[in-house]
Amino acid sequence: AQTVTQSQPEMSVQEAETVTLSCTYDTSESDYYLFWYKQPPSRQMILVIRQEAYKQQNATENRFSVNFQKAAKSFSLKISDSQLGDAAMYFCAYRTFGGGTSYGKLTFGQGTILTVHP
Amino acid sequence: GAVVSQHPSWVICKSGTSVKIECRSLDFQATTMFWYRQFPKQSLMLMATSNEGSKATYEQGVEKDKFLINHASLTLSTLTVTSAHPEDSSFYICSAAQGLGVYGYTFGSGTRLTVV
Repeated sequence: AQTVTQSQPEMSVQEAETVTLSCTYDTSESDYYLFWYKQPPSRQMILVIRQEAYKQQNATENRFSVNFQKAAKSFSLKISDSQLGDAAMYFCAYRTFGGGTSYGKLTFGQGTILTVHP
Repeated sequence: GAVVSQHPSWVICKSGTSVKIECRSLDFQATTMFWYRQFPKQSLMLMATSNEGSKATYEQGVEKDKFLINHASLTLSTLTVTSAHPEDSSFYICSAAQGLGVYGYTFGSGTRLTVV
């Protein structure tokens, strides 16, 4: 079974600064998908960014980017120019490949609470 | 984009009664939906996978008779907490995806259940 570990229960950042959230995972699969989800105080889960394991290029979505190190099984999230609205709990998630014909389950990390200071 | 609607947002019920939570995909068909449980400041725990027209697949340790899942149509899955007790109080979230979910899953807004 796959496991996802977020070793930082809490992180804080000053507005406009950059912060990196860590995530490691354990799997024996060669193909899979990785995601970062954001859960603000409203508790609505919002997809931030996704990465396909077979792509070496790191994914980027505006101020959000990842550092995907497949050999090290590491998938960190970098938030640049942090904004007050970025304050939330962030979850790293692993999706099994599913053989391309079935839905893959999501396995979540423990989450990191991000505080943004004005 | 894909929208998943979940109702009710919150519910309070008496111990021993049953509560039904609905999860609807509004603008796409979802043959598979997932149900999660989340405690405050903790991660999401997958409870079961709901499959349209067939029985749900429960995760180990989840009581099938307590958490009844029905996926009667391509856009609706329901979770019924039967004979609820205070320890069932939690935040329940559903999710679904267009296609096979390789682009991520869309989540409902969640239901806060309080059993008194």
